[in-house]
Amino acid sequence: GAVVSQHPSRVICKSGTSVKIECRSLDFQATTMFWYRQFPKQSLMLMATSNEGSKATYEQGVEKDKFLINHASLTLSTLTVTSAHPEDSSFYICSARVEVGASPLHFGNGTRLTVT
Amino acid sequence: KQEVTQIPAALSVPEGENLVLNCSFTDSAIYNLQWFRQDPGKGLTSLLLIQSSQREQTSGRLNASLDKSSGRSTLYIAASQPGDSATYLCAVSLWETSGSRLTFGEGTQLTVNP
Repeated sequence: GAVVSQHPSRVICKSGTSVKIECRSLDFQATTMFWYRQFPKQSLMLMATSNEGSKATYEQGVEKDKFLINHASLTLSTLTVTSAHPEDSSFYICSARVEVGASPLHFGNGTRLTVT
Repeated sequence: KQEVTQIPAALSVPEGENLVLNCSFTDSAIYNLQWFRQDPGKGLTSLLLIQSSQREQTSGRLNASLDKSSGRSTLYIAASQPGDSATYLCAVSLWETSGSRLTFGEGTQLTVNP
């Protein structure tokens, strides 16, 4: 089945630094990937849609200069949290689908970010 | 704006019991509905996907139904096992996104006691 790999699974960084999270589709090509954020005991909220070869589309309220997304190839999207603050501490999950429409979305295992 | 609600928020049952998880959504113009399982600190595992034209989907001990007109879906788990303990999330996508952008409910945390 389709596999989405996310790295790292867990990262701790100091306030003010930047952190990069990678999302890879291992056995399929994904022109579109999605980045979600999940706070403790809350559901997932879509942050942005990552489009291969073009700019990402951000949801309302998500700062594009703070959450930089790069989708440089058909199998890799990266999310960089710039100048991280403690309130950015959260669980970040990416997803992708094999084809648009009928196929289900497949999710990575998530990245737990803790900003100290 | 689409809103998704899941009831109950938490459920604890003895092993072997059949159970039903509920999901409701406010905008019936959905493209599809997907049920996921999330283990603590982990990502999501897709369980069942129901297209808007379908009424139900089955996989093993799981059966999901969809009543689009009333904005409801149920996930039925037969003969529950301790390994079924997890948070179950339902998510819907709207037609204009071709199933891409999902709106999630807050989940039902299921505990199956041995």
